[in-house]
Amino acid sequence: QVQLVESGGGVVQPGESLRLSCAASGFTFRNYGLHWVRQPPGKGLEWVAFIANDDSYTLYADSVKGRFTISRDISKNTMFLQVASLRTEDTGVYYCAKRETTVSPFHHWGQGTLVTVSS
Amino acid sequence: EIVMTQSPATLSVSPGERATLSCRASQSVNSNLAWYQQKPGQAPRLFIYGASIRATGIPARFSGSGSGTEFTLTISSLQSEDFALYYCQQYNDWPPLTFGGGTKVEI
Repeated sequence: QVQLVESGGGVVQPGESLRLSCAASGFTFRNYGLHWVRQPPGKGLEWVAFIANDDSYTLYADSVKGRFTISRDISKNTMFLQVASLRTEDTGVYYCAKRETTVSPFHHWGQGTLVTVSS
Repeated sequence: EIVMTQSPATLSVSPGERATLSCRASQSVNSNLAWYQQKPGQAPRLFIYGASIRATGIPARFSGSGSGTEFTLTISSLQSEDFALYYCQQYNDWPPLTFGGGTKVEI
């Protein structure tokens, strides 16, 4: 079965960086694009970033463009999100998520990793 | 960007009652609309996609309807495990993929 396991969250100060990881299993990693979705404490869901199955392109929400970088290592079946120049409003749980096609919902989610940005 | 608006923000119902949740899109999303359930401390779980198709393992008491800009999630007879947050999401036009603000179904 599909499993997505995030890690790398933590407590950082404004302006600092983190690298989040999403380890994938249960499907052919190179065949699927993957996404990051975040959720501030007590608030709703926000799509953050996408990477194509072949790394040919990436997409970002305007709120993170220029500060976050999505990447993947096919040899390790792992996706990453480098989050830099962090702001307090970046605080939240970061989920990796998988869709079945480019026109489908998120069928699979990880359990999330918490990023807290606080001075 | 397609803005998704859910109403009401909170729905107070009793077990066994019917619950109706609404989701409106700022422009047509055809039938590319999903509903997720989220419980405290858990990731969202896909419940409905294609506006009306139940995901694997979702009970028949959950039904979705609508197309274009107006959508509804109906829970025909609320069970204790159904009290949770529900989000709608459009996947017709992206980036960005967008979610509604959520409806909390509470006792």
